[in-house]
Amino acid sequence: NAGVTQTPKFQVLKTGQSMTLQCAQDMNHEYMSWYRQDPGMGLRLIHYSVGAGITDQGEVPNGYNVSRSTTEDFPLRLLSAAPSQTSVYFCASNPRGSGSGTDTQYFGPGTRLTVL
Amino acid sequence: DAKTTQPPSMDCAEGRAANLPCNHSTISGNEYVYWYRQIHSQGPQYIIHGLKNNETNEMASLIITEDRKSSTLILPHATLRDTAVYYCIVRAPRETSGSRLTFGEGTQLTVNP
Repeated sequence: NAGVTQTPKFQVLKTGQSMTLQCAQDMNHEYMSWYRQDPGMGLRLIHYSVGAGITDQGEVPNGYNVSRSTTEDFPLRLLSAAPSQTSVYFCASNPRGSGSGTDTQYFGPGTRLTVL
Repeated sequence: DAKTTQPPSMDCAEGRAANLPCNHSTISGNEYVYWYRQIHSQGPQYIIHGLKNNETNEMASLIITEDRKSSTLILPHATLRDTAVYYCIVRAPRETSGSRLTFGEGTQLTVNP
């Protein structure tokens, strides 16, 4: 299994540009999430999904859109990039299930985004 | 989810045990204790979790006090590669709302040669 993969690894955008960060997982996990991490800070949840066709907002959703057309993919779209969106973006997935396993999340390697 | 408190930083000598504490005095009966770590510039990595019994896996041991108000993550023989930020998270299982882990500031563990 490749686990959780993210592309690109690095990206530089100009203010106002749009782009999509890709995330894929091959573990057949129902839950997927997007986080951002600013320098010296913890992770903040942007959007998450509990299954194909179902998405919801996290703590910091403004300026981002998501969709979940398949179990495997969960792309994050920046509509009009702003310097405040300069950050490292992590995608994560975890299995749905009863008991204690629902929060064992698997993270991708991250995408480092700079908005000029 | 219960609030957790961790020391901001700790040091450990290579080869020695690293004991990372976490306080969660408001933990509820159905909340689990999870530990993750983040090595610099990498995505967070799951380490271990538990409810009330002590747990051990290939990476670490988790000791939870009898009253469940605190726990300790133990790396038995720390190596330089264990230098990372360690996050203690308390959360109840949720079947339908997805997983929305809240990462606090964690403990920066530095393993010294």
